[in-house]
Amino acid sequence: DTEVTQTPKHLVMGMTNKKSLKCEQHMGHRAMYWYKQKAKKPPELMFVYSYEKLSINESVPSRFSPECPNSSLLNLHLHALQPEDSALYLCASSFEAGGSGNEQFFGPGTRLTVL
Amino acid sequence: RKEVEQDPGPFNVPEGATVAFNCTYSNSASQSFFWYRQDCRKEPKLLMSVYSSGNEDGRFTAQLNRASQYISLLIRDSKLSDSATYLCVVIGLGTGFQKLVFGTGTRLLVSP
Repeated sequence: DTEVTQTPKHLVMGMTNKKSLKCEQHMGHRAMYWYKQKAKKPPELMFVYSYEKLSINESVPSRFSPECPNSSLLNLHLHALQPEDSALYLCASSFEAGGSGNEQFFGPGTRLTVL
Repeated sequence: RKEVEQDPGPFNVPEGATVAFNCTYSNSASQSFFWYRQDCRKEPKLLMSVYSSGNEDGRFTAQLNRASQYISLLIRDSKLSDSATYLCVVIGLGTGFQKLVFGTGTRLLVSP
């Protein structure tokens, strides 16, 4: 199984809503990532989890709150988002977070629209 | 200067053509290099890793030139299904974690 799955595929939320994005992989990967991608731009790294611990937060606003309940799951909790947060949110995983040569595999993404 | 630079294109080529993309990177300590392919409104998918010795996978050939700090991707016998954005991706050494640095992507359009 070389798949990263994400739910939901699409999400529309108001600025006062609280919602969560979910990501799952069963490849035994120990590193998981959240990226944000705006139209016609490359993905931008948000968070890195290594062995279920948050390793990197790329200065992401606190209205985005990641959580790694176990080695296969990664959540992104959303609260009080702004319209400019509308984007494609991609989850990825790799065997390890450090070292070289560890390819990252991406999930299909959640397309988020904030009204 | 951007860490990873690519010509955004688009490259418009007919079916069967050979097309080449280049990518330059600024961090000489970079250790791992990849080409990803991204279709419109889809996730990036790993196309191939790039090694110093060069590597080939069917119609695709990737090369790395460390001295000049550039990476290339050659696509032979282009198919309509090759139409996509090709992302050059670099991983730096010493960051302690695997931070992918993406180029802005090169758009390829293959026409009948």
